[in-house]
Amino acid sequence: DAKTTQPTSMDCAEGRAANLPCNHSTISGNEYVYWYRQIHSQGPQYIIHGLKNNETNEMASLIITEDRKSSTLILPHATLRDTAVYYCIVRAYYNAGNMLTFGGGTRLMVKP
Amino acid sequence: NAGVTQTPKFRVLKTGQSMTLLCAQDMNHEYMYWYRQDPGMGLRLIHYSVGEGTTAKGEVPDGYNVSRLKKQNFLLGLESAAPSQTSVYFCASSYRNAEAFFGQGTRLTVV
Repeated sequence: DAKTTQPTSMDCAEGRAANLPCNHSTISGNEYVYWYRQIHSQGPQYIIHGLKNNETNEMASLIITEDRKSSTLILPHATLRDTAVYYCIVRAYYNAGNMLTFGGGTRLMVKP
Repeated sequence: NAGVTQTPKFRVLKTGQSMTLLCAQDMNHEYMYWYRQDPGMGLRLIHYSVGEGTTAKGEVPDGYNVSRLKKQNFLLGLESAAPSQTSVYFCASSYRNAEAFFGQGTRLTVV
C-alpha cells in the first residue's frame, strides 16, 4: 500500500468547513483513497473513498487532485461531534492479501 | 444486523495467563483483521485473514496467535500474557478491500 502523509493536528471552528489534506504521492493507478475516523476510543468508522473522481456522501466530500498525488476530505459544516482522529489510507481494491494499515492520522479539534 | 461484535469488552489478566478474544461478524465478509491500539497511538495490525482457514501476520504479530475456523469468526489468542500487551484490541471485517467495519474494542489490562 502507498504511504500517506497527514498533518498531525488541526483546529476548526464549529459550523465552518473542515478541510483535511492528505499527501499520497506514490499512489498506484489501481489504488483507492479511503478515509476513516476514530472518535475518542471507539472503533474506527469508514467515511468515504474514491479513485479519481470527486465523491460526496452524507458525511463528507472527497476531492482528489488530477494527478492523484493528494486529496482533501471536507466536512462541510463541522460540529463538536466531528472531533476525532482522521485517517487517510490508500489501498488497491482488488488485490488479495492487502493489509489495511493505519498511519498517525490528523487529530481534528472542532471548537465552539 | 449486529455488524462486528467483540467479546469480551473488558478483561484483566495476570502475567502469564492465557486468553482468547472472539470477533464475530454477520456480514459474510471474507477479510477480517485484529489491531491493537496503545494509549495515544495509532492502530497497529496484528494478524489478518483473507478467508476461512487462512491467516497472515501483520505488523506486530509476536505474542499472538489467531484462527479462522469459520468465516464469521476470527479468534485472537494470547498464550502467555505480558504487561506489554495491555492495550485496546479492535477487530474489523471487510468485503475484500472495500470499506472495513470495526468492533467497539476489547480493553485488556495485564498486571
